[in-house]
Amino acid sequence: AQSVAQPEDQVNVAEGNPLTVKCTYSVSGNPYLFWYVQYPNRGLQFLLKYITGDNLVKGSYGFEAEFNKSQTSFHLKKPSALVSDSALYFCAVRGAGYSTLTFGKGTMLLVSP
Amino acid sequence: DGGITQSPKYLFRKEGQNVTLSCEQNLNHDAMYWYRQDPGQGLRLIYYSQIVNDFQKGDIAEGYSVSREKKESFPLTVTSAQKNPTAFYLCASREEETNSPLHFGNGTRLTVT
Repeated sequence: AQSVAQPEDQVNVAEGNPLTVKCTYSVSGNPYLFWYVQYPNRGLQFLLKYITGDNLVKGSYGFEAEFNKSQTSFHLKKPSALVSDSALYFCAVRGAGYSTLTFGKGTMLLVSP
Repeated sequence: DGGITQSPKYLFRKEGQNVTLSCEQNLNHDAMYWYRQDPGQGLRLIYYSQIVNDFQKGDIAEGYSVSREKKESFPLTVTSAQKNPTAFYLCASREEETNSPLHFGNGTRLTVT
């Protein structure tokens, strides 16, 4: 089985401060990891993915994520948050032998001015 | 512009009625997916199709049905057997390459009373 945990329902950060949204996963074999963002009443938008290679992955809108195999984590980060980053963020994983993604429950990011 | 179109955006039905949600894509993607989103539960996979005239059940297929007669179209029928049909439904598609990201439509919010 494959699973994803996003331990925080909500993350609050002030504009200009760094942000981290946490994600841990459980799969058999090598994981393929994704981050998506969702704005109210919209579909999900792809931010970035880790397949192989460099543990630090850079994505859209200045976001990046760090793959840590020993901690089975894939935390989303941004050096300086914007109010417009406020949205719902989803981590997703696909393990070897699986043809579909499993999503976490989402973390609401609120960036205050 | 290429993308995924879900219609309608809002749908209201009486209990006991079947209802069909439309999903059309012009991205030339082989694989298409239906997810259900409920507050605090993330995305759950209902059905997916990797090729025309073939589809597989996801994690919560009971009470739903699909068809894939054309590459561009993957309609979802919510039947009267679905006990809690009120939810936000998201359609997605993906290129054939296994680790390509999902592209999502903007969803249909179904309310059954």
